[in-house]
Amino acid sequence: AQSVAQPEDQVNVAEGNPLTVKCTYSVSGNPYLFWYVQYPNRGLQFLLKYITGDNLVKGSYGFEAEFNKSQTSFHLKKPSALVSDSALYFCAVRPNTNAGKSTFGDGTTLTVKP
Amino acid sequence: DGGITQSPKYLFRKEGQNVTLSCEQNLNHDAMYWYRQDPGQGLRLIYYSQIVNDFQKGDIAEGYSVSREKKESFPLTVTSAQKNPTAFYLCASSVSASGANVLTFGAGSRLTVL
Repeated sequence: AQSVAQPEDQVNVAEGNPLTVKCTYSVSGNPYLFWYVQYPNRGLQFLLKYITGDNLVKGSYGFEAEFNKSQTSFHLKKPSALVSDSALYFCAVRPNTNAGKSTFGDGTTLTVKP
Repeated sequence: DGGITQSPKYLFRKEGQNVTLSCEQNLNHDAMYWYRQDPGQGLRLIYYSQIVNDFQKGDIAEGYSVSREKKESFPLTVTSAQKNPTAFYLCASSVSASGANVLTFGAGSRLTVL
């Protein structure tokens, strides 16, 4: 069975500082990995995904994520946080097989303070 | 603009009543999904459909039913058999259920059982 762990329920950073939201996963075979963001009372929005190739993936709004196969991690990063980045972030994994289902982590609330 | 429309946004139900949540997409996506979101528990898959007139149970299908009579529509019925239906329900779609396709989410429907 596949699973995703987001070990931090809450991450607090000051505006302008770098941010990291952690994600580790477990899946049979090679994974597809995703990050989504959710603002209050809204659906999720796609940020970025890893399929294959370069371990550093760049996405929307200046976010990037680093795939580390040996550590089975896919941490989300941004060099300089904005107050508007405050939201709930979800990591998701699905196996690269036909009709593989996505499994989501429990989410990490990011708060960026001015 | 293409997207997913969920209705109603807020719904109140008395115990013992069935309710149906609407999900319509104009993205021409083959696959559609229903997720349930509870605080601190991430997203859990209820049902998904890869093609018209076909659907599969997800991880928490008990007490729910769906239909997929049209490509653009995937309504979810929360039946009286669902023990704890109060939650935020998210509908999503993707080009197909396979591969690294990104999920596009609706804005959600919040169901409260009185």
